[in-house]
Parts: sequence; C-alpha cells; structure tokens
Amino acid sequence: QSVLTQPPSVSAAPGQKVTISCSGSSSNIGNNYVSWYQHLPGTAPKLLIYDRNKRPSGVPDRFSGSQSGTSATLGITGLQTGDEADYYCGTWDSSLSAGVFGGGTKVTVL
Amino acid sequence: QVQLQESGPGLLKPSETLSLTCTVSGGSISRYYWNWIRQPPGKGLEWIGHIFYTGSTNLNPSLKSRLTMSVDTSKNQFSLKLRSVTAADTALYFCARGADSSYYLDFWGQGALVTVSS
Repeated sequence: QSVLTQPPSVSAAPGQKVTISCSGSSSNIGNNYVSWYQHLPGTAPKLLIYDRNKRPSGVPDRFSGSQSGTSATLGITGLQTGDEADYYCGTWDSSLSAGVFGGGTKVTVL
Repeated sequence: QVQLQESGPGLLKPSETLSLTCTVSGGSISRYYWNWIRQPPGKGLEWIGHIFYTGSTNLNPSLKSRLTMSVDTSKNQFSLKLRSVTAADTALYFCARGADSSYYLDFWGQGALVTVSS
C-alpha cells in the first residue's frame, strides 16, 4: 500500500488530454513539493515535473503539474503514442523522514 | 551530463547480504543527496533511502534495521548493503541523484536486477 494514492490507469485517444491525480496527506504533499516521473519498462525513470510545476530542460510543455492542499495533478496534453508509460508522483514525508511514491499510473493511448 | 551506474551481484540466496554500488560520472558527488529506489516485479517504485555526501542518511523505516549506506567521495561512489535478504527483496534497484534544496530525483541509473532465490 503506497503512501500516495494514484489511479491504476488512465487512457485517451491521440491528441487528447489526460490528468493523473496524486493524493496524500499533510505530512507529505501538504507540506512538500511533488515531483512526477515517467517510467518505460527497461529504462531509467525520467523526471518530468519538480517543485510542483517546473519542467527540466528538454521536457515538452505538453506536461504540466499542479498542487493544492494534499493533492497534486499531472496533465498531459496532445497525447502521443510515445507517452505510453507508467507515471509516478513522489515527495518527502516529514513525519516518516522518508521519500514516498505513489503506486503508479499506466497511461494508455487508445 | 551526470550519469549513474549500478553494479553488484545479480543473484543471492536467502539470508545473504545484498551489496550494490553506484558510480557517478560527469559531476561531483559532493553537495547532493544520493538515493536508492527499488521496483519489485510487477509493482511500483519504493524509496529505500538516501545519503548526503557528508555521510548522513535517511532510511526507509521498513528497511532500516537491515540497511546500511555509505559514500566514498574520493571514488565518486555510494553504496547500499541490505542484510538477511528474502525473496521479497527481489527487485530492480535504481540509484538516483536527489536535489539538496528540495525533494526530487533528477538523474537515475539504468537499474540493476537483483534476484533472491535458493
């Protein structure tokens, strides 16, 4: 059971938009920034969003992040087949003094 | 560009000690937090712990009693030791660099598969 809660899967047609939610508590998302990672099997996870809504160099602006209260959301617009992957949210939990991840969300492009 | 590479035995027997090393190239190991994350087969990511370049650590409470981390700044390496492994420790183990001002992991290794089997 992950500390952060994500939906197991989301799907949409090419060109459409998907959103992935990440729900936590006051000890994690409520007091720390959320980051988002894209993971294709057999590869290293890739940082997509950090500090709530910042994108590393090279990450297209089709990916966006938001955070409010004890929840965060990753948005992907203009969905492409190359976006099919598992997506994870992560943050620091101040009560556990530990990093925590969501259970992951599989994005399928129909 | 910072690169990380995990190394270590891929097959262990139950009760043995898992030892992995992460070698950092393209940048100094000083200043950042150095993390270990694992992914059991068919499951999600689990944070194992991190070590600051000074040697201070934060460890996953569920693994803390079996876990040791160390850093060797002269070799630009950091290491993980997990004692008394069981089949539940079978996973793909990743090392990653963590920011020192906030919590995010910006550079990751490709991962090392560790299987625990008798």
